[in-house]
Amino acid sequence: EVRLVESGGGLVQPGGSLRLSCSASGFTFRTSWMSWVRQVPGKGLEWVANMNDDGRERYYVDSVKGRFTISRDNAKNTLYLQMDSLRAEDTAVYYCGRDPKHGSIDYWGQGTQLTVSS
Amino acid sequence: DVVMTQSPLSLPVTLGQPASISCRSSQSLLSSDGNTYLTWFQQRPGRSPRRLIYEVSNRDSGVPGRFSGSGSDTDFTLEISRVEADDVGVYFCMQGTFWPHTFGQGTNLEIK
Repeated sequence: EVRLVESGGGLVQPGGSLRLSCSASGFTFRTSWMSWVRQVPGKGLEWVANMNDDGRERYYVDSVKGRFTISRDNAKNTLYLQMDSLRAEDTAVYYCGRDPKHGSIDYWGQGTQLTVSS
Repeated sequence: DVVMTQSPLSLPVTLGQPASISCRSSQSLLSSDGNTYLTWFQQRPGRSPRRLIYEVSNRDSGVPGRFSGSGSDTDFTLEISRVEADDVGVYFCMQGTFWPHTFGQGTNLEIK
């Protein structure tokens, strides 16, 4: 059974940092593209970042470029999202997902809530 | 960025009746590899999104046959042949042809 479990969310002050983790099981993580998508509760979905299997290709939405870094540890089957210089508008539920092809996420985690507030 | 526009945003449907959601993109989603990367997701209340349809018309395993996707170029449709109570939720289209991938605003399907 495929499982994706996000962790690391919480309450952070503006300008602060946080690292999200996504632990994967039930599929071959090391050969999979992976993505982060966020959702403001009650609102729509926004693609944040994704990366290829070996980490050489990474893509970010403009609003997080230079502040967020996607990375992975294939030995630990874990995806990360390092978030720096956080802003109130980054407040959202963050989902990780397996991305088999062009953003078509076939498995999603349960999400982790990030709140940026003073 | 490619803008994805869904309509309607709210869709009240009587049980057993059909439903249709439109999704239009601001530019053609036909990729240079010949594929069209348009995906439909369902998000039930309080749940994570779930993929229903990928590459316009390919239904995921486990997705009931009453769901179907169609379209091309900039105009796409998700149809539910006979709505069931289990179908309540928000439906999103998403394009994966261009980076950044972008979603439609979502269509809230509810039972009348």
